[in-house]
Amino acid sequence: GENVEQHPSTLSVQEGDSAVIKCTYSDSASNYFPWYKQELGKGPQLIIDIRSNVGEKKDQRIAVTLNKTAKHFSLHITETQPEDSAVYFCAASIRRAAGNKLTFGGGTRVLVKP
Amino acid sequence: DSGVTQTPKHLITATGQRVTLRCSPRSGDLSVYWYQQSLDQGLQFLIQYYNGEERAKGNILERFSAQQFPDLHSELNLSSLELGDSALYFCASSVEATRGTDTQYFGPGTRLTVL
Repeated sequence: GENVEQHPSTLSVQEGDSAVIKCTYSDSASNYFPWYKQELGKGPQLIIDIRSNVGEKKDQRIAVTLNKTAKHFSLHITETQPEDSAVYFCAASIRRAAGNKLTFGGGTRVLVKP
Repeated sequence: DSGVTQTPKHLITATGQRVTLRCSPRSGDLSVYWYQQSLDQGLQFLIQYYNGEERAKGNILERFSAQQFPDLHSELNLSSLELGDSALYFCASSVEATRGTDTQYFGPGTRLTVL
């Protein structure tokens, strides 16, 4: 089945700096790659997603890039703020007629130091 | 607020017992997914229902079962509970089931503690 690996597991950055989280996936049939942010005591919140027919997508300070050939995708957060501190998860979804499950990476705990 | 609701928020029970977790999807969403989040296994897909029918199964134990009712709410039943079942259980919902590109919105979760 699909396997998603995420690095790093923890990331500490100074406020205002950029943060980059990288994920690789194993199944070339995957066609949807969402990123979720999870704050303590809450459920995962979708922050951005990208589909396999797109190489890059931006939303204000957040951007995601996808390299289908290398089977990896990355999340970039610019001008980090203390409220960006959370656990971030990447995920991949495989195109199937039967279902739409997400396979998640192991998560990255991001700490933005003021 | 994603629009997905889950009850209860917390559940404490003993080994061997049975519990039911409830999820109401966002208005208009036909698919419901259940995920388990534990410290050692991360976020893992359990099962998906689409408009009342089971659509996909993940690493769901035989002691666990789920269903989706005509009003589209879903219940996850966990029986013969073990200490290792202690985890956060999330429900997510989306509009369609089959395209593999459908956005899933997560609820706030139910924290299950088995003593």
